[in-house]
Amino acid sequence: DIQMTQSPSSVSASVGDTVTLTCRASQGIGTWLAWYQQKPGKAPQFLIYAASTLQSGVPSRFSGSGSGTEFTLTISNLQSEDFGTYFCQQTKGLPTTFGQGTRLEIK
Amino acid sequence: EVLLVESGGGIVQPGGSLRLSCSLSGFSLNDYSLHWVRQAPGKGLEHVAVIDTSGDNIFHADSLKERFRVSRDKSKKTLYLQMNSLRVEDTAVYYCVKDRLYGPSLFGDYYFDEWGHGTLVTVSS
Repeated sequence: DIQMTQSPSSVSASVGDTVTLTCRASQGIGTWLAWYQQKPGKAPQFLIYAASTLQSGVPSRFSGSGSGTEFTLTISNLQSEDFGTYFCQQTKGLPTTFGQGTRLEIK
Repeated sequence: EVLLVESGGGIVQPGGSLRLSCSLSGFSLNDYSLHWVRQAPGKGLEHVAVIDTSGDNIFHADSLKERFRVSRDKSKKTLYLQMNSLRVEDTAVYYCVKDRLYGPSLFGDYYFDEWGHGTLVTVSS
């Protein structure tokens, strides 16, 4: 199975900041990557697919990049509602696998 | 509006069985693959199973395929997950999830664009 590793495990930032989260795959996955946001007690929400395509309705301050084994999720002009845990997922094939998550706290 | 509503979770003893249901509305089962994803308390996400748009093809995580089985009833617009020989480590919130890819396909593209609220399964003696 393809292993996904996210860093950092947690980060704290202020409103208005720019935050970059990283996800690494244990082998090349092209751009078969998604990002999700999860708030406590809620289901994950779909943010980005194909590494950089924003899902409809997701604010443009979210952006994704990368290919192969290294990917980033950047949140610009951080808002208070952006707190939560962010997961990456590789979708190159089954089994699809997720990273362990990065917890984002708003200062 | 797309809605996925899980039910059937609860407390079960090790070795027991449980069947989860997911009621679907706002889209056709012929058009999207459907998945189960679970999340153990305080942990990450794990893909459990998928059934394709035809309903004839299923895939389960290797570690679960001997004990879990996904199915669907098109007439009832319901997705199921039969879980047998449950273990303490199966304790998790189980989510019913819709695949993003529209149209006939084998298992979709594994991008999960709509999620249910989840149902908690607790395996404990």
